[in-house]
Amino acid sequence: ETGVTQTPRHLVMGMTNKKSLKCEQHLGHNAMYWYKQSAKKPLELMFVYNFKEQTENNSVPSRFSPECPNSSHLFLHLHTLQPEDSALYLCASSQGRGGRNIQYFGAGTRLSVL
Amino acid sequence: ELKVEQNPLFLSMQEGKNYTIYCNYSTTSDRLYWYRQDPGKSLESLFVLLSNGAVKQEGRLMASLDTKARLSTLHITAAVHDLSATYFCAVDWPGSGGSNYKLTFGKGTLLTVNP
Repeated sequence: ETGVTQTPRHLVMGMTNKKSLKCEQHLGHNAMYWYKQSAKKPLELMFVYNFKEQTENNSVPSRFSPECPNSSHLFLHLHTLQPEDSALYLCASSQGRGGRNIQYFGAGTRLSVL
Repeated sequence: ELKVEQNPLFLSMQEGKNYTIYCNYSTTSDRLYWYRQDPGKSLESLFVLLSNGAVKQEGRLMASLDTKARLSTLHITAAVHDLSATYFCAVDWPGSGGSNYKLTFGKGTLLTVNP
């Protein structure tokens, strides 16, 4: 148990659906991250939040919309996804600026877009 | 843009043997991380290397960092089946604006240790 919890663990959605992924951390960290892990690509950073403020958007399509209501919770809202968006989505947290930036990862949400 | 290259990407080895995984990166950084991922599981932090010449050891794994060569190695000694997993290196560097560090990961090395 890493202290970072992601729900749901598995999600199947159609291209017209709207769904949300949830991440919660119990580590007292100030930074939270969304990553995409596809079968044949390196782990891709999507978004970074520090103290609830988005500090990085790695050219992610607008069909992915993050939300960080507080330092412990992070959401990824999904709408009109494409089949190529099927992947494992990982959430992570760390101390943030000034820290050693060891990132603690959740177990991920396995997303399939039909 | 920072590039992180691991090799080999696939490694099949016998129990009891030694081997090294290499991680090269393309820009200046003195913070490098190694992670392990078991199938269907999350990434687990193994080592944090914070300076040139840093060496960390845990059990049969030893990691080192040469910032001048922009190279880190993960050495496996007398491999056992339980070490089978995917190993990632990640490099810490300033993101846009230089004020927020972010990790860039290598593609990972899938290690299979056979009895």
